[in-house]
Amino acid sequence: DAMVIQNPRYQVTQFGKPVTLSCSQTLNHNVMYWYQQKSSQAPKLLFHYYDKDFNNEADTPDNFQSRRPNTSFCFLDIRSPGLGDAAMYLCATSRDSTRYTFGSGTRLTVV
Amino acid sequence: GQQVMQIPQYQHVQEGEDFTTYCNSSTTLSNIQWYKQRPGGHPVFLIQLVKSGEVKKQKRLTFQFGEAKKNSSLHITATQTTDVGTYFCAGGSGNDYKLSFGAGTTVTVRA
Repeated sequence: DAMVIQNPRYQVTQFGKPVTLSCSQTLNHNVMYWYQQKSSQAPKLLFHYYDKDFNNEADTPDNFQSRRPNTSFCFLDIRSPGLGDAAMYLCATSRDSTRYTFGSGTRLTVV
Repeated sequence: GQQVMQIPQYQHVQEGEDFTTYCNSSTTLSNIQWYKQRPGGHPVFLIQLVKSGEVKKQKRLTFQFGEAKKNSSLHITATQTTDVGTYFCAGGSGNDYKLSFGAGTTVTVRA
């Protein structure tokens, strides 16, 4: 089945230690998104790729970076995680303005 | 920027009763989508509305898009325990393919 896969499901990292979250998709969607969701809050868009074009949200901290080496894969890099970065990170894909397909998310814990 | 407001934030429902969650945008939307997120899960697409005044039904769920394309509602009849979760509306502006998510309505059901 075509889907969006996020690894790992749970990630524990040390304060200040770089961490990378990954997302892959078999839907061949041209747009890939990274969202941060904290408890009882709406998903907050960090950035997205439209094909190879990277689009950063204005309020996304510089601590967050992303890479999309090909259509299928997208990575979220957190250069120096702080306690406030503990959250669920959701990857989503879409074909232009159609429905989003979300991955199962990676729950990040910072210790 | 575009803002999507959603009320109520929490809805406690007796099993078998009906309820409605409402979504309002500060700007005219090109489309509105609804997602359901079960506790511990990820958002799952429910429906997309595009036309002014559009009404769509999925079994016990009725979705409406306002005439001005600035508001939407989700009405659930005869609530069941399987309806537990958070329902998000998400509006598209038409200028791009990004969605603005509402804060969500978290539904709990009393058996």
